Amino acid sequence: SQQGEEDPQALSIQEGENATMNCSYKTSINNLQWYRQNSGRGLVHLILIRSNEREKHSGRLRVTLDTSKKSSSLLITASRAADTASYFCATDAGWGTSGSRLTFGEGTQLTVNP
Amino acid sequence: GAVVSQHPSWVICKSGTSVKIECRSLDFQATTMFWYRQFPKQSLMLMATSNEGSKATYEQGVEKDKFLINHASLTLSTLTVTSAHPEDSSFYICRGRNGYEQYFGPGTRLTVT
Repeated sequence: SQQGEEDPQALSIQEGENATMNCSYKTSINNLQWYRQNSGRGLVHLILIRSNEREKHSGRLRVTLDTSKKSSSLLITASRAADTASYFCATDAGWGTSGSRLTFGEGTQLTVNP
Repeated sequence: GAVVSQHPSWVICKSGTSVKIECRSLDFQATTMFWYRQFPKQSLMLMATSNEGSKATYEQGVEKDKFLINHASLTLSTLTVTSAHPEDSSFYICRGRNGYEQYFGPGTRLTVT
């Protein structure tokens, strides 16, 4: 079952603006990952943040993690039309009985208007 | 770098037939393979987890007799959708893992008519 919830479900912005997507989860995690998926295509791994990290940057991406609130956010700065896609968070509970499975959130559909 | 491929990338079949989807890892030995299903405009749902040489573990609500998973080698896993019905039409994605390395396949679009 999905344990992640993302908001907003859909986000429409203008090129150049920043986009922020949020993800909440329910159980303890080893790490949290963000993925992008263009319509009808496979997943592209964006960034991984471990449970002992609070913030991570990669290019125009900034991810935060608050394990006390069981939430994460993905910020895309200076958005471009090419950023239009669905964005998913995925939690990894680590090894053990879960077998390092990834559980995906519901996703945010981002539309960047040129 | 390592690549996980899926074949076919898309397939159309008639209701009642069976379809096999292959997931191959190149330059990478996937000790664990995960199979996901994604319905249109929805998220990825884990269907099953398999370790090489072992029987797959299915998620609740996924029929193991309908979705046959074979992970006979470290470079090949297959998902067979038996007696497919239109409601099985979906995007199927595999994910191979070995320790901290993991790679997703590009997905297979299955349409059952």
